[in-house]
Amino acid sequence: AQTVTQSQPEMSVQEAETVTLSCTYDTSESNYYLFWYKQPPSRQMILVIRQEAYKQQNATENRFSVNFQKAAKSFSLKISDSQLGDTAMYFCAFGDNAGNMLTFGGGTRLMVKP
Amino acid sequence: DAGVTQSPTHLIKTRGQQVTLRCSPISGHKSVSWYQQVLGQGPQFIFQYYEKEERGRGNFPDRFSARQFPNYSSELNVNALLLGDSALYLCASSSRTSGVGDTQYFGPGTRLTVL
Repeated sequence: AQTVTQSQPEMSVQEAETVTLSCTYDTSESNYYLFWYKQPPSRQMILVIRQEAYKQQNATENRFSVNFQKAAKSFSLKISDSQLGDTAMYFCAFGDNAGNMLTFGGGTRLMVKP
Repeated sequence: DAGVTQSPTHLIKTRGQQVTLRCSPISGHKSVSWYQQVLGQGPQFIFQYYEKEERGRGNFPDRFSARQFPNYSSELNVNALLLGDSALYLCASSSRTSGVGDTQYFGPGTRLTVL
């Protein structure tokens, strides 16, 4: 079974600054998928970014980018030019190769301060 | 295009009762997954259905059941409710065009409170 660990329960960042959220995972699979989801107070889970394990290039999506270290089983999210609307819970998730289920970490609460 | 929709938004039940939650996937998506999110934790996988067949089941008791209809909508049923079943229930849909690594898109959830 896979496990996903987010070691930072809470983080804060000043508006316009950069913040990095950490995620580590444990799996015996060689092909899998990793995701970062954002859950604002409205509770809707929104996809932020996705990474295929077979790709060496780190995924980017506008102000969001990841640092994927497969050997270290690490998948961190960097948010550049933080905005007030980035305030939310952020969840790291592991997707197995069968596509049946996502395994989530415990989440990191991010507060962007003006 | 409409996203994943869920009903009802909120629900209050008492212990021992039964509840049915409903989900409509994004148009064109044939797979629906259900997750339970207890307050302060990450979501936990309950079920996945694809083409009306169960394709995955998480570590939940038999009190939890689900089904998928020909239009790909889905229902999650929970019998003999316990206080610990109080949670946000999330539905997610994916296209499963390749069957692997499909991104799951989530609905707004149903908040279930068991008194």
